[in-house]
Amino acid sequence: EAGVTQFPSHSVIEKGQTVTLRCDPISGHDNLYWYRRVMGKEIKFLLHFVKESKQDESGMPNNRFLAERTGGTYSTLKVQPAELEDSGVYFCASSQVIQETQYFGPGTRLLVL
Amino acid sequence: ELKVEQNPLFLSMQEGKNYTIYCNYSTTSDRLYWYRQDPGKSLESLFVLLSNGAVKQEGRLMASLDTKARLSTLHITAAVHDLSATYFCAVDRSGGSYIPTFGRGTSLIVHP
Repeated sequence: EAGVTQFPSHSVIEKGQTVTLRCDPISGHDNLYWYRRVMGKEIKFLLHFVKESKQDESGMPNNRFLAERTGGTYSTLKVQPAELEDSGVYFCASSQVIQETQYFGPGTRLLVL
Repeated sequence: ELKVEQNPLFLSMQEGKNYTIYCNYSTTSDRLYWYRQDPGKSLESLFVLLSNGAVKQEGRLMASLDTKARLSTLHITAAVHDLSATYFCAVDRSGGSYIPTFGRGTSLIVHP
């Protein structure tokens, strides 16, 4: 069974540019989560989808971040325009039911210069 | 607000030695997780602890939970190089949200 995959693995952009991160959850997992880790800090929750609906987006830092999950399969997280403080590792995770331990992807390392 | 503190944040140890990583959390929670991450790889779930006094063991790693003290420990026995990784403790928010709040992680290096 394929795990959670994320693309790209790394992205280097300039301040003010736009970046779109993609997450493909494990097939059949209705729950999809985004997290972010700024270097050396905690992994922080961003938002939670159940199928295509946003269940909890309390962790989204501001309106420069837009997450979508059209069709309830893969998800994208767009940052527009990117700022220096957006640099970090963005993790995606999925689970079949919310009580289940989440399965994490390898993360996308974003560097904003 | 739920806060999770791990210590130490960095740990360098010799093969064959024992050590313990500590995880304290600030409010009542229903479950606690330990994850392992190798560089550039996914977080891998090691243990899920659900009740006071829970103890789980896998190989050279043993995790325990004291909900009254809001403390979990990850004990490493006779460390080997393959255990070098970053270990994260995470605690679910109360109220059954199943959204984990993470600690900062403990970067472990095991050297000969």
